[in-house]
Amino acid sequence: GQNIDQPTEMTATEGAIVQINCTYQTSGFNGLFWYQQHAGEAPTFLSYNVLDGLEEKGRFSSFLSRSKGYSYLLLKELQMKDSASYLCAVLDSNYQLIWGAGTKLIIKP
Amino acid sequence: IAGITQAPTSQILAAGRRMTLRCTQDMRHNAMYWYRQDLGLGLRLIHYSNTAGTTGKGEVPDGYSVSRANTDDFPLTLASAVPSQTSVYFCASSDRDNTDTQYFGPGTRLTVL
Repeated sequence: GQNIDQPTEMTATEGAIVQINCTYQTSGFNGLFWYQQHAGEAPTFLSYNVLDGLEEKGRFSSFLSRSKGYSYLLLKELQMKDSASYLCAVLDSNYQLIWGAGTKLIIKP
Repeated sequence: IAGITQAPTSQILAAGRRMTLRCTQDMRHNAMYWYRQDLGLGLRLIHYSNTAGTTGKGEVPDGYSVSRANTDDFPLTLASAVPSQTSVYFCASSDRDNTDTQYFGPGTRLTVL
């Protein structure tokens, strides 16, 4: 079966750095996405990785290792507004998105 | 403002009633999707459409139907609602380009009693 694993919940301090991990087992791979979802709102696109390595976009970076079936989202200089759920999703060989359950990130002052 | 709209925002429905959730996008995206999101579970695909005139079943299609008469609209119908269909429903669309990034509507919160 297809599976995406990510921690259920993480807590971090304002101004700090946090890394949210995602491991996946899917039938084929055509890219990995990270989305941010604030409570009661729709998911919004953060990043897309299809090649191994680190993609940096401002305070957010996303890393991919295809051989290890592993990705992480790195958030720097955390702000209170970063409190949200972060969803990892993989585009499989049929171009269907397989979603993880999401990681709820709690930022404390 | 370009994007995806969904209606209604929320709805309380008696079991056995028929309900259509509406979704409209103005980005001229080829593909559209319906997901449900339940606490503790990832987004689960109900139905999708790769282009106008075609539809396909996702992971949890039972009890739901869709149509795609044109590029912009993708309604989701619950023929006879049951309490297990209580959920938040998101519509999304993508351009089917090389990244196939999906963009989401604001969601419909549906409660079936």
